[in-house]
Amino acid sequence: QVQLVESGGGVVQPGGSLRLSCAASGFIFSTFGMHWVRQVPGRGPEWVAFIRNDGSNEHYAESVKGRFTISRDNYKNTLYLQMSILRPEDTADYYCARDFDAYTARFEIWGQGTMVTVSS
Amino acid sequence: DIQMTQSPSSLSASVGDTVTITCRASQSISSYLNWYQQKPGVAPNLLIYAASNLQSGVPSRFSGSGSGTDFTLTISSLQPEDFATYYCQQSYSSPYNFGQGTKLEIK
Repeated sequence: QVQLVESGGGVVQPGGSLRLSCAASGFIFSTFGMHWVRQVPGRGPEWVAFIRNDGSNEHYAESVKGRFTISRDNYKNTLYLQMSILRPEDTADYYCARDFDAYTARFEIWGQGTMVTVSS
Repeated sequence: DIQMTQSPSSLSASVGDTVTITCRASQSISSYLNWYQQKPGVAPNLLIYAASNLQSGVPSRFSGSGSGTDFTLTISSLQPEDFATYYCQQSYSSPYNFGQGTKLEIK
């Protein structure tokens, strides 16, 4: 079945780095745009980043621009989020989400999430 | 950036009731509006896309309407499994902001 599985979360000190992964299965990964969305427990979701199906286009939320990089490997069916210069306010559950198509910003399929905690 | 404002922030209702949640965009987004349901400890789930289209597998008691800046999500004949938090999200332009959520609780 269609599935997204995130990994790579954990506890990191402020200023540190972390790379999240999202393994996709059950669909043709290379035909769909992909997003990262984060959510602080008890608050609404926040869109973080997008990458087009072929990797040709990326967008970022202003809060992470210059610090986070979204990428994908269509041969490995895997999405990544490289996070650097992490701040306490980056603490959240991070979800990968599949778009409706190459680029619609409709989050049709979500992973189960991976928790990132930035704390000293 | 387009800001999304939902009302109310919380709502109490009984099984069998009909409820309406409102979402307002800070500028016109045509029909680029999606609704999600989220239950504790799990990811959001897409209910309605493009303002009024029911996502596959979602019960027909859920409906959406609106265009421009004002949108509504209506849940008819509430079922026990509908008590959750609901979010609107605009897909008109980046950043793809969500509303702050409406928590639907059992009265």
